[in-house]
Amino acid sequence: DTGVSQNPRHKITKRGQNVTFRCDPISEHNRLYWYRQTLGQGPEFLTYFQNEAQLEKSRLLSDRFSAERPKGSFSTLEIQRTEQGDSAMYLCASSLAQGAGETQYFGPGTRLLVL
Amino acid sequence: DAKTTQPTSMDCAEGRAANLPCNHSTISGNEYVYWYRQIHSQGPQYIIHGLKNNETNEMASLIITEDRKSSTLILPHATLRDTAVYYCIVRVGGTASKLTFGTGTRLQVTL
Repeated sequence: DTGVSQNPRHKITKRGQNVTFRCDPISEHNRLYWYRQTLGQGPEFLTYFQNEAQLEKSRLLSDRFSAERPKGSFSTLEIQRTEQGDSAMYLCASSLAQGAGETQYFGPGTRLLVL
Repeated sequence: DAKTTQPTSMDCAEGRAANLPCNHSTISGNEYVYWYRQIHSQGPQYIIHGLKNNETNEMASLIITEDRKSSTLILPHATLRDTAVYYCIVRVGGTASKLTFGTGTRLQVTL
């Protein structure tokens, strides 16, 4: 059973550096979501893709954040000029568009610490 | 998406049923009730979802009231591994839409 995978699982970086995370969705899932979770809070939506098209972005996604899904399979989330406030768990989820009752399945997350 | 209200925390003895309530009094007719859980430092795990009928799978049962304003997730025989934060989420079906997580219920299963 190949679920959603994310790499790296942990990342420590210094303030001002750029970081990139990768998400590999469940095979044949055409929707891919990114969420961010800070300590003690539930995950918050960042953006989502249907195939390679980025169809919705949260206001949380500042201009330092960019996400891509170039071939409609894996996705990357890049944070430029990281700030200490970017420290969080970054979660990826995927789903298959199939009408009502669609279910998102989450990966293990990438935990980012900005020093 | 409709807001949900859950207790902040609950305790349950191992082997007993854990009943986790959720209020969603403003739910719309096309919104589903989803339950996820998150074990410490892991990604959220899908448990179950439903529209108006009660649902059961290998993990849990979901009981939705007739007016759909509240629901209960039942773990029939809780184990220590069920200790987690449980999130109740309502979401429009049939479209791609984000999951809006609250702060959930922290379930502690004890010996």
